[in-house]
Amino acid sequence: DAKTTQPPSMDCAEGRAANLPCNHSTISGNEYVYWYRQIHSQGPQYIIHGLKNNETNEMASLIITEDRKSSTLILPHATLRDTAVYYCIVRANAGGTSYGKLTFGQGTILTVHP
Amino acid sequence: DTGVSQDPRHKITKRGQNVTFRCDPISEHNRLYWYRQTLGQGPEFLTYFQNEAQLEKSRLLSDRFSAERPKGSFSTLEIQRTEQGDSAMYLCASSQGWGGQETQYFGPGTRLLVL
Repeated sequence: DAKTTQPPSMDCAEGRAANLPCNHSTISGNEYVYWYRQIHSQGPQYIIHGLKNNETNEMASLIITEDRKSSTLILPHATLRDTAVYYCIVRANAGGTSYGKLTFGQGTILTVHP
Repeated sequence: DTGVSQDPRHKITKRGQNVTFRCDPISEHNRLYWYRQTLGQGPEFLTYFQNEAQLEKSRLLSDRFSAERPKGSFSTLEIQRTEQGDSAMYLCASSQGWGGQETQYFGPGTRLLVL
């Protein structure tokens, strides 16, 4: 799976949009971009994933650049409860017996302040 | 659908003791994963099952670790002769589907402390 690079930490004011970047310059054509977050002492929570088109769900939007070498997770109206570690993960969507596992990096610590 | 559950949530044991953790996946999810997370690090893959078959094991899974998923439902992770370095959060995730349709959902984890 391709490696990802994220800033170690970011701050955001409550009510504002939080834009979390992720670089994945070695991504392959069959690899998806997944985002998870982990609130302190809890299990990771799935947020969103995409292949090449932008995606939106009730939690967030995922913007993937045309060359697929980077992406941005957008939380449109951040709240204090969005304070967490956010992980950007690239994972192959098929092939072999090991494609299912997720390889987590260090993630970005997002702090939302009042 | 009650989500992935794990038991116990916390475990304190003495070095050298055996411990066993249980994971109940989301109903009808055919894939089940175990991960380990140490303080300040992201989760690391340990092993996964498709139905009852254990398809991959990480090098992190030493011979003191064993996982089972009888009948393709719940799974257990056993650690024999625990060491202080085994102290970590053990996470279970389950999924179904293939390719881009597969999304893993995690349980709350079991936090192990080896004294």
